Parts: sequence; structure tokens; C-alpha cells
Amino acid sequence: GAVVSQHPSWVICKSGTSVKIECRSLDFQATTMFWYRQFPKQSLMLMATSNEGSKATYEQGVEKDKFLINHASLTLSTLTVTSAHPEDSSFYICSARGLEKLFFGSGTQLSVL
Amino acid sequence: DAKTTQPNSMESNEEEPVHLPCNHSTISGTDYIHWYRQLPSQGPEYVIHGLTSNVNNRMASLAIAEDRKSSTLILHRATLRDAAVYYCILGTGANSKLTFGKGITLSVRP
Repeated sequence: GAVVSQHPSWVICKSGTSVKIECRSLDFQATTMFWYRQFPKQSLMLMATSNEGSKATYEQGVEKDKFLINHASLTLSTLTVTSAHPEDSSFYICSARGLEKLFFGSGTQLSVL
Repeated sequence: DAKTTQPNSMESNEEEPVHLPCNHSTISGTDYIHWYRQLPSQGPEYVIHGLTSNVNNRMASLAIAEDRKSSTLILHRATLRDAAVYYCILGTGANSKLTFGKGITLSVRP
């Protein structure tokens, strides 16, 4: 079946630094990818929709300058958390739109010290 | 967005069938019913989806009420690996943007 690879699985960084998370569709082309974040014991919250070759569409309340999304190819989307702070610590998950369903990455646990 | 309502949690015994209910009384004619599940510390995994007719796949069955205002995910024989949070979500297409609710936490007793 289709696989979405997300890297890194976990990352620890200092406050004020930037962190990049990659999401790759391994065996299919994904013109659309989605980025979610999830806090402990809570559900997934959609952050943005990433479209190949165009600007991402952000959900209400999500800062586009804080969470930079780049979807430069049909198999790769990246999320960069800029100037990360402890409140950005969360589980970030990407998904790619397939023919009949969404395929999700395994998630990235970000801890900002 | 049309919303879904699920119980917070459910317990089942291993190797017994499990019926996970979902209410979606404001569903529109073009909304698909999607089920995904999430194991601890992992991304969600597709389970099944349907529009009007009941659906079966190797993982589960989806029973959709005739008025489409409710549906039930059926796991025919629960295993310990089925313990997860199950999300019932409405979407306008088979692979549309999905907004997750709280889901139902399924516990499976050995």
C-alpha cells in the first residue's frame, strides 16, 4: 500500500531555533498534503493544506509566518517551525491525498527547551 | 462542517465483535463517512469509508443507516492490536480534507 514517510520522528531543539519536518509520499504523487498538530490527550488539529506548486492554505488561527510550508514537488512537503518556543512543542503529523483515502505519516514529536 | 458524535470510550473482549457507533444527523448528501484509527504515538491509519451503501474490507465493515444520520464501524473479531482511538469523520469527497473530532477510545481486554 501507499506509504508516507515523515522525518524526523522526534526532535529536541532550543528555544528560538527553527526546525524543518519533511513529509514524502514514497510510491505515489501527492498534489495535496495536509499538516496537523496534536497535543497530548487531544485530537488532531488541521493546520494547513499544502498544494504542490502554490501557496499553502492555512486554517484560521494558524500563523503562516510561524509555520512555513513548502510543497516544491509532487512527493515532498516540508513544514518549518520558525523561532520555536516551548508552546510549539507538539506532535506534528502530515498526510497525503491518495486516490481514495488519506495516507498519514508516523508523526514528529517536537520538544522545544 | 457537519459534525459527528461518538461515545468517549468503549471496552471489548478479545476475539469478540465490536460495534462503534457514530451519529451525524447534519450530514449532507455529498458527505462521505470516513473512519480512521490512531494507535498511541503514531499517525492515523485509514480503516474504511462509505457514502450510502454498507462497505466491507479486510479490516472492518461499515454499516450506514438508511437515512445516513448514523453509522456503525464493525470490527468482527477484536484483537489487542485494535486498541486505538477511532475517528468517525465526514468529508465531501473520498479523499477530502478531514477535520478530526475527539474520537472513541477502544480498549480490548485479553
